[in-house]
Amino acid sequence: AQSVTQPDIHITVSEGASLELRCNYSYGATPYLFWYVQSPGQGLQLLLKYFSGDTLVQGIKGFEAEFKRSQSSFNLRKPSVHWSDAAEYFCAVGSDAGNMLTFGGGTRLMVKP
Amino acid sequence: GAVVSQHPSRVICKSGTSVKIECRSLDFQATTMFWYRQFPKKSLMLMATSNEGSKATYEQGVEKDKFLINHASLTLSTLTVTSAHPEDSSFYICSALAGGQGDEQFFGPGTRLTVL
Repeated sequence: AQSVTQPDIHITVSEGASLELRCNYSYGATPYLFWYVQSPGQGLQLLLKYFSGDTLVQGIKGFEAEFKRSQSSFNLRKPSVHWSDAAEYFCAVGSDAGNMLTFGGGTRLMVKP
Repeated sequence: GAVVSQHPSRVICKSGTSVKIECRSLDFQATTMFWYRQFPKKSLMLMATSNEGSKATYEQGVEKDKFLINHASLTLSTLTVTSAHPEDSSFYICSALAGGQGDEQFFGPGTRLTVL
């Protein structure tokens, strides 16, 4: 069975600092990997996804993620965090062409001024 | 991007009553919609997959008689929580699969259900 682990429940960074959110997955085949952001009152928004090809994926809002098969990881990064990035971030792995999603527990990002 | 709406955004009901939550794809047709449940400070758990015109497929441990799902059209799926109890209080989120857009799921804003 597939599973996703986000080791960090909470992360606090200063505005302008770099960010890395960790995600480890367990999946038998080539995974379809996603990062979503959830803000209060809004639906989950897709930041980026990896299906195949280049292991460094660029997303929206300046985010990127790197797929590392040897480490079963898909960490999300941003070089300079903005206050508006404060939200809950979810990593997910998908089966069946990415349709059936299993989510990690989420990481709540707080941004200090 | 494609927009998915949910109605209501919040609902409070008495124990034993039924509550219907609507999920609509506003600007695209969705042959498949998903229903998730999110507990406080927890992840999203897939409850069921809803395909237009057919019976929903429920995940293990989800009571299909308690959580009735109807996907009557390509833009509307409903989740009815029957005979609700306080333990059903949760945040329910739907998503819709937009075929032809890289199979991306678009998520609704969620519905907060509180059962007294």
